[in-house]
Amino acid sequence: DGGITQSPKYLFRKEGQNVTLSCEQNLNHDAMYWYRQDPGQGLRLIYYSQIVNDFQKGDIAEGYSVSREKKESFPLTVTSAQKNPTAFYLCASSRITQAGNTIYFGEGSWLTVV
Amino acid sequence: AQSVTQLDSHVSVSEGTPVLLRCNYSSSYSPSLFWYVQHPNKGLQLLLKYTSAATLVKGINGFEAEFKKSETSFHLTKPSAHMSDAAEYFCVVSSRPSGAGSYQLTFGKGTKLSVIP
Repeated sequence: DGGITQSPKYLFRKEGQNVTLSCEQNLNHDAMYWYRQDPGQGLRLIYYSQIVNDFQKGDIAEGYSVSREKKESFPLTVTSAQKNPTAFYLCASSRITQAGNTIYFGEGSWLTVV
Repeated sequence: AQSVTQLDSHVSVSEGTPVLLRCNYSSSYSPSLFWYVQHPNKGLQLLLKYTSAATLVKGINGFEAEFKKSETSFHLTKPSAHMSDAAEYFCVVSSRPSGAGSYQLTFGKGTKLSVIP
C-alpha cells in the first residue's frame, strides 16, 4: 500500500543531543512537509520541500534542520538548539503545491526530552 | 494573508444527534478548503475537500460540508453522531496568498468532538 512512514513512533532525547526523525513516502509526491503539533495550537510548519535538494523554512524552523537527497525521503533533525522540542511531529506529502491537491500525513512521531 | 478560524475548541454531542463543527476562513484569492480528522496519537486523515466545484461536498463516514463564499464559511456536518466520530477535526485552507507563487496551507487550531453514549 502507498503511504507515508514515519519512524520511530516514540523517541526520547537527552539535553544537548541531536535526534533525527525519519519520513519516507512511496506516493511519488514532489512536495514534503514537516509539522509540529502542540496541544491547543494546531499544526505549525517547520520545513517544506518541493523538489529534491531544495527546501524552505516554515514558520518555526529555528532549532531544526532537514535534507532532501531523495524524492522519497525527508528526514528532520531536531538539534540541541531547539529549546522546547517535546511535541508530536507530523510528516506529510502532496503531488505539488497547488490548489486542491490533497496533503497526506504519516502517523506521527512523539519526541520527549528527558 | 489567509487565515482559518474554528469557532469552537470543543464540541460535545450525544450519540445519534447531529454534529456541527464550524469553520470560517479568510483568503484574498479563490481557496481550496479541507477537513481532516485526527484520532489520538495518529496522523490526520482527509474527510473531504472543496476545490471550486459543487459547493456541497460529501466526504467519508457520512460527513459533509458546504462552502458559502458570502459567509466565508465551510462548516462540517453529520446527521447522526457515532461513538467512533470522537476525535479532533481540523479545517484547512489552501490558496496563493498573493495570487501567484506557491500555494500555502493554513490550519485551524482544531475542534475536539466528544460523543456521549
